Amino acid sequence: EAQVTQNPRYLITVTGKKLTVTCSQNMNHEYMSWYRQDPGLGLRQIYYSMNVEVTDKGDVPEGYKVSRKEKRNFPLILESPSPNQTSLYFCASRSQGLNEQFFGPGTRLTVL
Amino acid sequence: DQQVKQNSPSLSVQEGRISILNCDYTNSMFDYFLWYKKYPAEGPTFLISISSIKDKNEDGRFTVFLNKSAKHLSLHIVPSQPGDSAVYFCAASPAGGTSYGKLTFGQGTILTVHP
Repeated sequence: EAQVTQNPRYLITVTGKKLTVTCSQNMNHEYMSWYRQDPGLGLRQIYYSMNVEVTDKGDVPEGYKVSRKEKRNFPLILESPSPNQTSLYFCASRSQGLNEQFFGPGTRLTVL
Repeated sequence: DQQVKQNSPSLSVQEGRISILNCDYTNSMFDYFLWYKKYPAEGPTFLISISSIKDKNEDGRFTVFLNKSAKHLSLHIVPSQPGDSAVYFCAASPAGGTSYGKLTFGQGTILTVHP
């Protein structure tokens, strides 16, 4: 089944404790992206990747890191999480040349 | 600074009537625009797109209009159906066509279609 998976789905952590949210797709898509969704602000892009080893900043990259060592994986790293990073996070992928983005189920992160 | 704005947080429409969702943008570098639909507890799904070289694109019940001089786009759904009830996001990219990477979203509009 074609899908984007994210782990964990729910996470409660404390300020400053490094964490990684994994994202994996099995569709051989070139493009992958991370978004956060917050009430009243909609979706905001954090980072995106056009292909392996090619990443770039979205609109809200501060406090986040990403890497794209393999085509299928695009982990989101929070080196020192803060309460303002409490949010719902979505990973997405798509094939170059097509508009349809496949979104993961979301990761609900709470930073205390 | 919100570069893509959806000024109506919600819209309520009767089944069978037209739904019009609006979106304004401020960045003149935006060249490609998309609409997404999102149901609760799911990721967004792509609906329709339009390039800045066009002023209209149609796909079944969905039509997107672009007024580049006014930096305004709208999504028309005709006829509206209860299953269309969802949150609608517009998004914009500075890249032309489907080679985009960076994507800026609006805040979303909650559409409710009453039977």
